[in-house]
Amino acid sequence: QSVLTQPPSASGTPGQRITISCSGGSSNIGRNTVDWYQQLPGTAPKLLLSSNNQRPSGVPDRFSGSKSGTSASLAISGLQSEDEADYYCAVWDDSLSGRVFGGGTKLTVL
Amino acid sequence: EVQLLESGGGLVQPGGSLRLSCVASGFTFSSYAMTWVRQAPGKGLEWVSSIGGGGGSGGSSHHADSVKGRFTISRGNSRNTLYLQMNSLRAEDTALYYCAKGYSDLSRASLQYWGQGTLVTVSS
Repeated sequence: QSVLTQPPSASGTPGQRITISCSGGSSNIGRNTVDWYQQLPGTAPKLLLSSNNQRPSGVPDRFSGSKSGTSASLAISGLQSEDEADYYCAVWDDSLSGRVFGGGTKLTVL
Repeated sequence: EVQLLESGGGLVQPGGSLRLSCVASGFTFSSYAMTWVRQAPGKGLEWVSSIGGGGGSGGSSHHADSVKGRFTISRGNSRNTLYLQMNSLRAEDTALYYCAKGYSDLSRASLQYWGQGTLVTVSS
């Protein structure tokens, strides 16, 4: 069982806005910034958002993130078919002295 | 262009050992933290180990509890290479192992770039 809790699946139709939640605790999300990774089918993960809401170069502004207390969320607006992927939240856990990943959310674009 | 090329995976019997390597290019390797992340078939991502950057043979290292005492991360800055020595391998270590570059020299930094992975299969 993951230290960070994500819904196993999410879905939406093209153009829709969806959010994916990530719930943690005081030793991880409560103290440190959250990253989000996107893994397209059959490929390596890619950094989508760092430090809660910073987009690396090349990531569309349709992707945004937020954090409040011990929870974080990823929002995708203007959903596109190419957004169909697995999404993972991750954060450093001070109690474990290590990085923890959420279990992942499989996004389906209907 | 940043490139990370993992190698060293393969089939090994339970209790055996393997050493993974990750050759890096396109950035000043010694200055950045490096991390190993694994993904079991059909499963999610699991952090394995991280090592800080900043010169010399590398900064402090951290290992997941699931591999502590069995796996050791190290780096050869003169060779731009990250290593993962895996001993006492178990069936549950079977996974695709990714090498990733951190955003800074800190082990806790975001994982900015990822390699394509090398597959480790532990089976008799």
